[in-house]
Amino acid sequence: AQTVTQSQPEMSVQEAETVTLSCTYDTSESDYYLFWYKQPPSRQMILVIRQEAYKQQNATENRFSVNFQKAAKSFSLKISDSQLGDAAMYFCAYSGQFGAGNMLTFGGGTRLMVKP
Amino acid sequence: EAGVTQFPSHSVIEKGQTVTLRCDPISGHDNLYWYRRVMGKEIKFLLHFVKESKQDESGMPNNRFLAERTGGTYSTLKVQPAELEDSGVYFCASSQRGQGGNNEQFFGPGTRLTVL
Repeated sequence: AQTVTQSQPEMSVQEAETVTLSCTYDTSESDYYLFWYKQPPSRQMILVIRQEAYKQQNATENRFSVNFQKAAKSFSLKISDSQLGDAAMYFCAYSGQFGAGNMLTFGGGTRLMVKP
Repeated sequence: EAGVTQFPSHSVIEKGQTVTLRCDPISGHDNLYWYRRVMGKEIKFLLHFVKESKQDESGMPNNRFLAERTGGTYSTLKVQPAELEDSGVYFCASSQRGQGGNNEQFFGPGTRLTVL
């Protein structure tokens, strides 16, 4: 079974600074997808960024980028130029390519605080 | 376009009572998922519908949980009788047809269930 681990329950960053959230996973599959979801306080979870395992190039979405290390099974999220609106719970998630209906397997989450 | 909606947002019930949670997916989304986050733990998959059919219910904790998806539209999740350990936040998500792992799942705001 796949597992996802986020070792940082809480992180804080100064506004305009850069922060990296860690995520490791375990799987025996060779093809899969990895996601970072953001859940602001009292709001819905939204997708921040997605990485396809067969792509070597790290995904980037504006200020958000990932460092995907397939051999190490590591998938960290870097937020550049942090803004107050980035304060949220961040969840790392895994989805297989085939089978299991592509359910998401989540890590425990990291609460990110942004200091003005 | 309306997002995924869930009702109620919060439910407080006594142990032994019955509660029904409702999820309305994004119109046209064939895939509907239920997840649950028990306090302090990871978000866990419960089950997956494709239209009105249960594709995968491997995450359902026991037979006190019953999920239905009428006509492939909205879904309900009934807990009967509720136990203390059922407390948590129940999330619903939907995605477009097809089971590719790159199908983005759109999440609802969740229903916070408290069993006293």
